Amino acid sequence: SAVISQKPSRDICQRGTSLTIQCQVDSQVTMMFWYRQQPGQSLTLIATANQGSEATYESGFVIDKFPISRPNLTFSTLTVSNMSPEDSSIYLCSVDPLETQYFGPGTRLLVL
Amino acid sequence: GQQLNQSPQSMFIQEGEDVSMNCTSSSIFNTWLWYKQDPGEGPVLLIALYKAGELTSNGRLTAQFGITRKDSFLNISASIPSDVGIYFCAGLGANFGNEKLTFGTGTRLTIIP
Repeated sequence: SAVISQKPSRDICQRGTSLTIQCQVDSQVTMMFWYRQQPGQSLTLIATANQGSEATYESGFVIDKFPISRPNLTFSTLTVSNMSPEDSSIYLCSVDPLETQYFGPGTRLLVL
Repeated sequence: GQQLNQSPQSMFIQEGEDVSMNCTSSSIFNTWLWYKQDPGEGPVLLIALYKAGELTSNGRLTAQFGITRKDSFLNISASIPSDVGIYFCAGLGANFGNEKLTFGTGTRLTIIP
């Protein structure tokens, strides 16, 4: 298994601002994933982040809105840019050692 | 994005009852995963299934990987209050190099006192 931590755990932000979420893993992993979970909904993949290459974004998500960094094999950041109330969600990172996936505790974001 | 059909959407049961939920897909998967999510937390992995037909238990939980590779079910026996939460199934792609998870729509389990 993998132990994943995220910062911040929650935040309240004003529209038009940006928030950077950090994800730290206790072991080196090849792939890290960022998900969004809107209130009462299931999880939707935003992008896949591999170390040393640009993130791969899913349909409906773009780099300008959700820039991702992956500087090493244990860390990644997701930035939610120019936020609007529609960005209010839980943002989760996950990693996939050995054909399964483990999730961080999530960052609960409220945009006013 | 694509989602798996998970049913039921919600369940209201009494403590001690058994619970059954399932997930179906039009696509085949190499791996099926079952997660539980408590309020304010990330999903926690309950059971992972890697082979068609596989039946795996984790305490009171039992899950099976459907023989067609397009479905899976999760059973919980003798439910207790801490079983309350949202359960998600997830399938891992059948294509080599496709490590993306597809999630089910979730089953919300509530225990009636």
